[in-house]
Amino acid sequence: DAGVIQSPRHEVTEMGQEVTLRCKPISGHNSLFWYRQTMMRGLELLIYFNNNVPIDDSGMPEDRFSAKMPNASFSTLKIQPSEPRDSAVYFCASSLGVPNGELFFGEGSRLTVL
Amino acid sequence: AQSVTQLGSHVSVSEGALVLLRCNYSSSVPPYLFWYVQYPNQGLQLLLKYTSAATLVKGINGFEAEFKKSETSFHLTKPSAHMSDAAEYFCAVTDYSSASKIIFGSGTRLSIRP
Repeated sequence: DAGVIQSPRHEVTEMGQEVTLRCKPISGHNSLFWYRQTMMRGLELLIYFNNNVPIDDSGMPEDRFSAKMPNASFSTLKIQPSEPRDSAVYFCASSLGVPNGELFFGEGSRLTVL
Repeated sequence: AQSVTQLGSHVSVSEGALVLLRCNYSSSVPPYLFWYVQYPNQGLQLLLKYTSAATLVKGINGFEAEFKKSETSFHLTKPSAHMSDAAEYFCAVTDYSSASKIIFGSGTRLSIRP
């Protein structure tokens, strides 16, 4: 299995631009999570999906952030417009969706907003 | 909501010495607990998990953790540290408001002195 695949691995953009991060979960996993990691705030859960349906988006910082999961094999996290404080590593993870299920993480997308 | 507290953002030990990373959880009922490890520029990967089958849980790379209900703790230990153990370690707990939602602690960076 190829694992969770994220793209791009690195993104540098200017303030005000739209950013789209992509994730392909492990085949057969029915839960998908988006996390953000920064030095100041650590690892924050932004949103998670079960069976392609958003279950909890309480961690999404503000309306500039949106996430979609159009099918079981693809999800996007969009920031529009981007701001310097959005600079972070964004991780996607997937699991079988059971209470003690292991999360499998992608390698992350490092975003720098200038 | 469930939460975990990791005591010490940075721990430094000598190679061959005991590793002890502390984690306390807040819950009135035994939760599902996890330890994850993050190597530089990588996503997190599961070290071990507690699922009530046994209080002493063995994980990969010689790590183990003991669930102590009376102390609401789930500390991670390894008898003899190796240089390759240098990484960031995260304790995590399942949120009972949604069984699939995993909440991470703030992390402990482990350094190994030669």
